[in-house]
Amino acid sequence: DSGVTQTPKHLITATGQRVTLRCSPRSGDLSVYWYQQSLDQGLQFLIQYYNGEERAKGNILERFSAQQFPDLHSELNLSSLELGDSALYFCASSPRGAGGFTDTQYFGPGTRLTVL
Amino acid sequence: KNQVEQSPQSLIILEGKNCTLQCNYTVSPFSNLRWYKQDTGRGPVSLTIMTFSENTKSNGRYTATLDADTKQSSLHITASQLSDSASYICVVTNTQRNAGNNRKLIWGLGTSLAVNP
Repeated sequence: DSGVTQTPKHLITATGQRVTLRCSPRSGDLSVYWYQQSLDQGLQFLIQYYNGEERAKGNILERFSAQQFPDLHSELNLSSLELGDSALYFCASSPRGAGGFTDTQYFGPGTRLTVL
Repeated sequence: KNQVEQSPQSLIILEGKNCTLQCNYTVSPFSNLRWYKQDTGRGPVSLTIMTFSENTKSNGRYTATLDADTKQSSLHITASQLSDSASYICVVTNTQRNAGNNRKLIWGLGTSLAVNP
């Protein structure tokens, strides 16, 4: 158990809908990272937050947004969902995350999103 | 283009045998390279992380090597166990930021390892 929790574990929704995925980092970790893992693309880094502020961006679509709250939990909002958004969404946390991504990242169990 | 390529795509070995997985990258500028183990349906677990100046790093039966000149890394697994069956993913971080504050972790597609009894 990495200490990172994600809810829900599974989510099934329809195209055009909006969903929110939630992540609680390990106790004391300030950075949260979001990843998307599709079957044929491997893991794709989406975005990182550090102590409430956006720190780095990867291949995140404009339909997706994230935020980190004062208690350090994070939410990933996915809107106008398309069939291709079906994937595993992982959250990871690390103690710092400032500069260079040299921290070890601890991954949660993931949320499996199915868009029908 | 920043890329990470892993080989082989899949590998089957017998329990107790050793194996070596390869990772070639074209990421520049380079910050660090990590190896992760991912069991099916679960989140990746970090095995090693190496920066530019490190050539070798071990974590139990896992030993990673890095040749920053040739941009190659390998993960050697010694005396394999059934629990080693997983996907092993190489991840390279580049430090360059563009105007959009994009810093990238470039993930390989992984090598799927099956250890049979």
